[in-house]
Amino acid sequence: AQSVTQLGSHVSVSEGALVLLRCNYSSSVPPYLFWYVQYPNQGLQLLLKYTSAATLVKGINGFEAEFKKSETSFHLTKPSAHMSDAAEYFCAVSGNTGFQKLVFGTGTRLLVSP
Amino acid sequence: GAGVSQSPSNKVTEKGKDVELRCDPISGHTALYWYRQSLGQGLEFLIYFQGNSAPDKSGLPSDRFSAERTGGSVSTLTIQRTQQEDSAVYLCASSLRTSGGVTDTQYFGPGTRLTVL
Repeated sequence: AQSVTQLGSHVSVSEGALVLLRCNYSSSVPPYLFWYVQYPNQGLQLLLKYTSAATLVKGINGFEAEFKKSETSFHLTKPSAHMSDAAEYFCAVSGNTGFQKLVFGTGTRLLVSP
Repeated sequence: GAGVSQSPSNKVTEKGKDVELRCDPISGHTALYWYRQSLGQGLEFLIYFQGNSAPDKSGLPSDRFSAERTGGSVSTLTIQRTQQEDSAVYLCASSLRTSGGVTDTQYFGPGTRLTVL
């Protein structure tokens, strides 16, 4: 069984500040991990994914995430927030072989103030 | 190239009516997924198609929900006798393939917002 916990349904930052969105996972098999972003009235867009290669994963729009097995975490960071980063962010986990549905966290809404 | 498309973008229906939601995956993608996004339940997996294999229906919430995929491409999700709790955004995703040792990225469509009155 797999699950994802995202701490904080809302995170507020100022423009230019560090963005940190937390994700912890549980998986009985080696996981693949994903961060997706959803802008208002749009579908999900993949930011980055971990597929058991490098533990530090770089994605689009300056985001990155680090897979920490000992902490079962895959937190999303960005050094400097932009207004355009305001959106909802979802962490997801899947297994790594055969068909694998995505199991999503409940999402974190990022608010960026000027 | 074109992404995943879904139609309609919005659907309002009355309780008890049947609805059909359509998904056009990215050309060449053999795997297709349906998810549901609702306020109470978050993002939930519904059903998965891979090539000509039998679909994985393990996420369908009741027998009022069904889906088919014709010709390995377009998929239709049908909800019979809709209930108010079916109100949600229904998302479709496709990926190039799924095979041993590889989980391909799922690309999502914009969704269909279903409102059951």
